[in-house]
Amino acid sequence: DTEVTQTPKHLVMGMTNKKSLKCEQHMGHRAMYWYKQKAKKPPELMFVYSYEKLSINESVPSRFSPECPNSSLLNLHLHALQPEDSALYLCASSQMVGGVAGELFFGEGSRLTVL
Amino acid sequence: QKEVEQNSGPLSVPEGAIASLNCTYSDRVSQSFFWYRQYSGKSPELIMSIYSNGDKEDGRFTAQLNKASQYVSLLIRDSQPSDSATYLCAVKYGAAGNKLTFGGGTRVLVKP
Repeated sequence: DTEVTQTPKHLVMGMTNKKSLKCEQHMGHRAMYWYKQKAKKPPELMFVYSYEKLSINESVPSRFSPECPNSSLLNLHLHALQPEDSALYLCASSQMVGGVAGELFFGEGSRLTVL
Repeated sequence: QKEVEQNSGPLSVPEGAIASLNCTYSDRVSQSFFWYRQYSGKSPELIMSIYSNGDKEDGRFTAQLNKASQYVSLLIRDSQPSDSATYLCAVKYGAAGNKLTFGGGTRVLVKP
């Protein structure tokens, strides 16, 4: 069983909807990540939070808005998405040792469909 | 642009044989290397990490790293049908080493 929990597992939304993806980890990790994965493609990094601060934004459109309320939680707020945003959204976490991230552990993902 | 390259496959392997997967990367500064397994419709699962030149063995898996040649490989011994999956090579970049970049993945098919 993964120790990174993502909800919901499946989400269908219209282009005018506002929804959120949630991620929770209880491994004491201080880095959390959002990745996007399209079918038959590798995961692509979207955002990284280190010690609850946004450290990397891979030029993601503003219709995706990340939030890290505390060291265990990571949210991805979605607004005015496009059909091409349909994908598997993966959350991951890792330890930080001496300011360097360790191995990444992934949640099961949230499969998003935008109509 | 940091790149991680893998042969997309499929790599077809008879049950019980050795599967050999290769990965090359573009940045000589990279220090951390990982192999993930991903079953269709599932999330990536970490199977091996390697940080220094040479071999690292864990059960039926052996990772090999050659920093001078900028490649990392994965051997799967005694391949089982349950090993059929896509194997993703990943390299960590960035000053804080928290930017994991994936190769395109190699699909492995183990035939009984």
